[in-house]
Amino acid sequence: QSALTQPASVSESPGQSITISCTGTSSDVGSYNLVSWYQQHPGKAPKLMIYEGSKRPSGVSNRFSGSKSGNTASLTISGLQAEDEADYYCCSYAGSSSWVFGGGTKVTVL
Amino acid sequence: EVQLVESGGGLVQPGRSLRLSCAASGFTFDDYAMHWVRQAPGKGLEWVSGINWNSGSIGYADSVKGRFTISRDNAKNSLYLQMNSLRAEDTALYYCAKVLTPKWFYDAFDIWGQGTMVTVSS
Repeated sequence: QSALTQPASVSESPGQSITISCTGTSSDVGSYNLVSWYQQHPGKAPKLMIYEGSKRPSGVSNRFSGSKSGNTASLTISGLQAEDEADYYCCSYAGSSSWVFGGGTKVTVL
Repeated sequence: EVQLVESGGGLVQPGRSLRLSCAASGFTFDDYAMHWVRQAPGKGLEWVSGINWNSGSIGYADSVKGRFTISRDNAKNSLYLQMNSLRAEDTALYYCAKVLTPKWFYDAFDIWGQGTMVTVSS
């Protein structure tokens, strides 16, 4: 159960797009289409943004999209807005009734 | 309104035990798998444990296996985490979380509580 690998930080200007990678192994990300992404603002509980790799829950902006290739999942935020500044975490089912999170990525809107 | 409210956190000495509770409301509790996720101060999220709707499937992170026990009481709409042999590294904000889809264990966590803080220190 090693943590998934995410970049520590990503910065971009408003209106631009960013992509956050989440690298796992063939035992987790690579084996299941069960990657989810969470947004967490300081002092707040996490919020589900993407599930099953690319699906958006009701109410989540279509500026958020997810994808997967091999052992790496990605979250793309297009048309970056000030309110998108937050920490983002990926999570994957890892088999044997266990889940694993990534280390988190701090997104800064310049 | 769907709501999860954690309780039971506090300051505890290393080696001692603590039991966390999560009270659920606003949804049919016994249809959904539930999880505990923790976050150490200033750190990232760490999955701790999960249980399906009828307690038939249970999982633990390696870091807590053998020390923590997850359970649920569907009649009381409540989730629990019994934490034994606590260590300093268990210090964290503990969240309970509901999954998105009824009767589906392998699912994302769509509703989170506000968390209860556990501090392990002498």
